[in-house]
Amino acid sequence: GQQLNQSPQSMFIQEGEDVSMNCTSSSIFNTWLWYKQDPGEGPVLLIALYKAGELTSNGRLTAQFGITRKDSFLNISASIPSDVGIYFCAGHSSNSGYALNFGKGTSLLVTP
Amino acid sequence: DGGITQSPKYLFRKEGQNVTLSCEQNLNHDAMYWYRQDPGQGLRLIYYSQIVNDFQKGDIAEGYSVSREKKESFPLTVTSAQKNPTAFYLCASSPSWGADAFFGQGTRLTVV
Repeated sequence: GQQLNQSPQSMFIQEGEDVSMNCTSSSIFNTWLWYKQDPGEGPVLLIALYKAGELTSNGRLTAQFGITRKDSFLNISASIPSDVGIYFCAGHSSNSGYALNFGKGTSLLVTP
Repeated sequence: DGGITQSPKYLFRKEGQNVTLSCEQNLNHDAMYWYRQDPGQGLRLIYYSQIVNDFQKGDIAEGYSVSREKKESFPLTVTSAQKNPTAFYLCASSPSWGADAFFGQGTRLTVV
């Protein structure tokens, strides 16, 4: 599969702070997806992006599909304790036959 | 409720034994997937099925087998040939190949 580089690997923030994480690829992606995984559970789809330049919000979450189609970012505003978890970027690329490829995740810890 | 059901949640296996993980979906999705997750790693694709009666190897298929005899079911067998089977296994489905994927709650397999 295609390699997705996700950063940062982990983040420790205080409640109320904003968070930003990103994902890059060496090849063009057709879609970008952002998932959140709680411990011991399956990932839950947060935001899906389908067009270059697209900016989409879901409550306090905002994600963008990069213009080059090789990157995406996810922002979380005013973090709360329940934001704790692992956030994964994922995407479909024609180079990988449209299989869904995943980054290694960003582990988020929010302290009160 | 519509969704993806994986069972069992926890599974213990003795070395040398085959074991089958169940995945059922009632979303009428055509495509189904199996991923493996190890600590600190992203999700790696084991097998996928774009449509009933068809399946393809993913990036790490060695030591695994699948079947797709019914649209709603995609069981994964972890064989004794899999050298390091202890992991968290995730099943997913999507309306069609290349569309947004939704996950089950996972099965944690431990070899004892």
